[in-house]
Amino acid sequence: DAGVTQSPTHLIKTRGQQVTLRCSPKSGHDTVSWYQQALGQGPQFIFQYYEEEERQRGNFPDRFSGHQFPNYSSELNVNALLLGDSALYLCASSTPRGFQETQYFGPGTRLLVL
Amino acid sequence: RKEVEQDPGPFNVPEGATVAFNCTYSNSASQSFFWYRQDCRKEPKLLMSVYSSGNEDGRFTAQLNRASQYISLLIRDSKLSDSATYLCAVRITGNQFYFGTGTSLTVIP
Repeated sequence: DAGVTQSPTHLIKTRGQQVTLRCSPKSGHDTVSWYQQALGQGPQFIFQYYEEEERQRGNFPDRFSGHQFPNYSSELNVNALLLGDSALYLCASSTPRGFQETQYFGPGTRLLVL
Repeated sequence: RKEVEQDPGPFNVPEGATVAFNCTYSNSASQSFFWYRQDCRKEPKLLMSVYSSGNEDGRFTAQLNRASQYISLLIRDSKLSDSATYLCAVRITGNQFYFGTGTSLTVIP
């Protein structure tokens, strides 16, 4: 049973550049959520995709955008990178089960912006 | 006010000890509650889900107190391998999970 996978594992970019991170959900899951985790903090919700649409969004600027493909995999795009975007970006997959929906995390992509 | 708050610790306990963490949440409409374990530089891994009053899995017990709006995690007979950061997560309505900043636990030989 394949778990959540993410690529790349590490990435170094410079300010102003753009980055694309990828996620494949756990087998049987159709919902993907993206989180940003800064050092010493808990994960912060960016947005969630279901049925190829953004279903809910956290408090992140429009520089953060995403996409979900028909096979349920997802991309997170960040434009005009800032130093403060350096963080661990986590993808979590789930399937809608009402209040019992549980999210499982991938290994993350560690982004460093110089 | 943050949606979820945890004592960051660190908690340093000897092997075999019992340790408890609390997590408070601010929104009374919160529906489901979770404890995740996160090892250094790794992803959070689900430890327990709590939907009603509590849940128990081996040495781990999670309890929910809706009146006081907190959940707790009790670890009995602590092992060295329990050393990690424990994250509390709350799902309010909709599909957004809110996480605390985590509580650091070190179990000492």
